[in-house]
This record gives sequence, C-alpha cells and structure tokens, in this order.
Amino acid sequence: DQQVKQNSPSLSVQEGRISILNCDYTNSMFDYFLWYKKYPAEGPTFLISISSIKDKNEDGRFTVFLNKSAKHLSLHIVPSQPGDSAVYFCAARYSGNTPLVFGKGTRLSVIA
Amino acid sequence: KAGVTQTPRYLIKTRGQQVTLSCSPISGHRSVSWYQQTPGQGLQFLFEYFSETQRNKGNFPGRFSGRQFSNSRSEMNVSTLELGDSALYLCASSPGGVTPGNTIYFGEGSWLTVV
Repeated sequence: DQQVKQNSPSLSVQEGRISILNCDYTNSMFDYFLWYKKYPAEGPTFLISISSIKDKNEDGRFTVFLNKSAKHLSLHIVPSQPGDSAVYFCAARYSGNTPLVFGKGTRLSVIA
Repeated sequence: KAGVTQTPRYLIKTRGQQVTLSCSPISGHRSVSWYQQTPGQGLQFLFEYFSETQRNKGNFPGRFSGRQFSNSRSEMNVSTLELGDSALYLCASSPGGVTPGNTIYFGEGSWLTVV
C-alpha cells in the first residue's frame, strides 16, 4: 500500500512558467514533508520541507503548500528554469526516528 | 562541510556473488539510512542505523544486511545476488534525533549491476 503517491509520472512546462508538482498521502500520522530533486546518476538533493503545523513554506523560487484535510501537498516552482528539469520526489515522516516514505517521483521537463 | 560519501560508485557483480557497499555520513551525523532505487520505482527503504544499532528496517529479505561502526560509517551487504538486485543504492545521513524536522541528506549512490 503506497502511503505517499505522486500520481503524475511526468510534467512538461515552458521556461518562465509555473511548475506545480502534486503529492498525496494516506497516513494521517505524517507530520513532516520534504521534497527532493534528483538528477540522473546522482543522489537526491534536499529542496524544501514543511511541518504539519504550517500550510505554506517558501524558499526562493520554491513554495510548498500543505492541505492537511485533503492530505495533499504541492510544490510550486516559479519561474521554471531549464535547470529545474529533474525527477522530484515527495517524502513524509511522522517522527524524527522513523524512515522517510517516498513517492515514486515526477519527472519535470522545463522546455526553453 | 563534506557531504555523504559512498563507495564504490559503480560495480558489476555476477549472480550468486555478494557485495559490500560503504557510506561515510556527514560529520556529526549519527543516523545512516539505506535506500534502493530501481527504474520506475521510488526510493525503497532498506534499513537505518543509529549509534551502531539498527533502529528501523524495511521489507527486504535477509540477504540484505548492514552495520554501523563507532565512527558512524556504515556498510551494507547483499548476499547471493539476484538479477533484480540491480539498482542504485543510496545512503543518507541525518543528525538522528527524534525531531521530525531533521533533514536527511543523500550521497550520490552506488550503482550495482548484477549480470
């Protein structure tokens, strides 16, 4: 049973536009959510995170929104750049000593 | 600050052999986790070590094992390799406390191909 789901395997966006990557979760005990970005043949790189006590967190071009009632979070990238083309993973955990649970990822292609 | 270091980066093994992968976490980090990534799949959690003790374990067969040393460095071992074990094996480190906000940082991974 997949506890973290990224239902869109891929997404194409034009350079300069907004990219919205979505993630749904089923475990209501999750209280911390992270986004990672991964290039081929490299390890995932931490991007941004959000605690369940917040509904929004911003870091430069990246904003994560959390809707706890819908068990849904999204990552917004504005403006999108070609260098953002990568696979984005959503992950969740419910305490500091539990493993991260990952979605299967969404491949973002930013077209110049 | 040095990142998470994994060795070797690439290796090819024959079915039935065993393999050992190594990971050096970020200095000061006491938790090391291992993940497996196969094509089209997300990251599957293997196990986590904290202060030399296995703290969490994923749903992998007993052929997959690991350990952590007193300096927090970790190794994972896969015995009796199968073709399906071909994957990217990722090591991640974190401070290891109970705060959910502890970010996990990944190494670049070890690419294992089983032929």
